Amino acid sequence: KNQVEQSPQSLIILEGKNCTLQCNYTVSPFSNLRWYKQDTGRGPVSLTIMTFSENTKSNGRYTATLDADTKQSSLHITASQLSDSASYICVVSARSSASKIIFGSGTRLSIRP
Amino acid sequence: DAGVTQSPTHLIKTRGQHVTLRCSPISGHKSVSWYQQVLGQGPQFIFQYYEKEERGRGNFPDRFSARQFPNYSSELNVNALLLGDSALYLCASSQLDADTQYFGPGTRLTVL
Repeated sequence: KNQVEQSPQSLIILEGKNCTLQCNYTVSPFSNLRWYKQDTGRGPVSLTIMTFSENTKSNGRYTATLDADTKQSSLHITASQLSDSASYICVVSARSSASKIIFGSGTRLSIRP
Repeated sequence: DAGVTQSPTHLIKTRGQHVTLRCSPISGHKSVSWYQQVLGQGPQFIFQYYEKEERGRGNFPDRFSARQFPNYSSELNVNALLLGDSALYLCASSQLDADTQYFGPGTRLTVL
């Protein structure tokens, strides 16, 4: 069964600290993996997208890694800011099948001053 | 350049009614996908349309239907609404079939 599991479910850190969010997937055949940031009540915004051959991608203070062998990805946030408070969603797509776009349940990140 | 737009922003309906949600993709994008996001959960895929043809359908009942118009805008229709249909309905557009998707702000549907 195609699944995307994220951990932790929620996380609270102090402003300025770093954190790492995890994503494990069983989607096959793998096409790409995306990380989205979703503010409460808003649509998700794309942070990174990685294909099978890419194992790291950065977008400012966000760095995503991908290990296609172990089917794991992580999103590392450096020097967190209050505006980083949001849900972070891992999305995995299977090749040539629109119905196999699987969303994780997200990690709810709260940054405290 | 405008992003993905959705209307209405919020909607309140009662059980048994039907609803039509609308989405306009980013200019030049030919693919539109619809998702349902229940509070506290990740989005669930409902439909994808590419070049006005249905390219994929998620695990939703036949009460859910959609279409894409010649200008690539799209409508999602839900008939015989149930309380469990209350959710944020997200529309996403992309240039190509499996390209990065850009999400709209969503329509918050409440069924009473």
